[in-house]
Amino acid sequence: KQEVTQIPAALSVPEGENLVLNCSFTDSAIYNLQWFRQDPGKGLTSLLLIQSSQREQTSGRLNASLDKSSGRSTLYIAASQPGDSATYLCAVCTGGGNKLTFGTGTQLKVEL
Amino acid sequence: ETGVTQSPTHLIKTRGQQVTLRCSSQSGHNTVSWYQQALGQGPQFIFQYYREEENGRGNFPPRFSGLQFPNYSSELNVNALELDDSALYLCASSTRDLGYGYTFGSGTRLTVV
Repeated sequence: KQEVTQIPAALSVPEGENLVLNCSFTDSAIYNLQWFRQDPGKGLTSLLLIQSSQREQTSGRLNASLDKSSGRSTLYIAASQPGDSATYLCAVCTGGGNKLTFGTGTQLKVEL
Repeated sequence: ETGVTQSPTHLIKTRGQQVTLRCSSQSGHNTVSWYQQALGQGPQFIFQYYREEENGRGNFPPRFSGLQFPNYSSELNVNALELDDSALYLCASSTRDLGYGYTFGSGTRLTVV
């Protein structure tokens, strides 16, 4: 059974700091890995999608890496801003693309 | 291109009642999945539909059922509602052509009293 763990559960940083969110998964037979952002009471916004054959993806200030063999992914956020405050969820896709397994998220607060 | 839209946004039901939630998938997406998210938890996979057929199911009882229509929109039906069914229900669409990158809707907040 695939299990996804995210560390830390919560993080508070001053504005401008670079930060790393961690995600680990137990079964390396994944189709892809996706990072999402969720604002309180809202749906999920896709940030980055990494296919199993890729090592990293970048979008603006965000960079996500994938090490499938060790079952790990990191989300790097550069020059954090208060607007980055949200919960960040990591999800691995298995079953040939038909199921996402999520971690419980990292709640990020960026303070002025 | 339109995203994933869900209706209604909020719903209050009484224990034992039945509820239907609706989802319109993103244009060009032929796969729809439903997830349940309890407060403070990550979303849990309920089931997926591909070309109007169920294509995978999570650990949810049969009173959770669904449909996908020819235009790829979908419904989630829950019978005999229980208090623990109170959650945010999320719909997500995708397609194999896009490497199964999922686009999520804003969700339906269901409260069972």
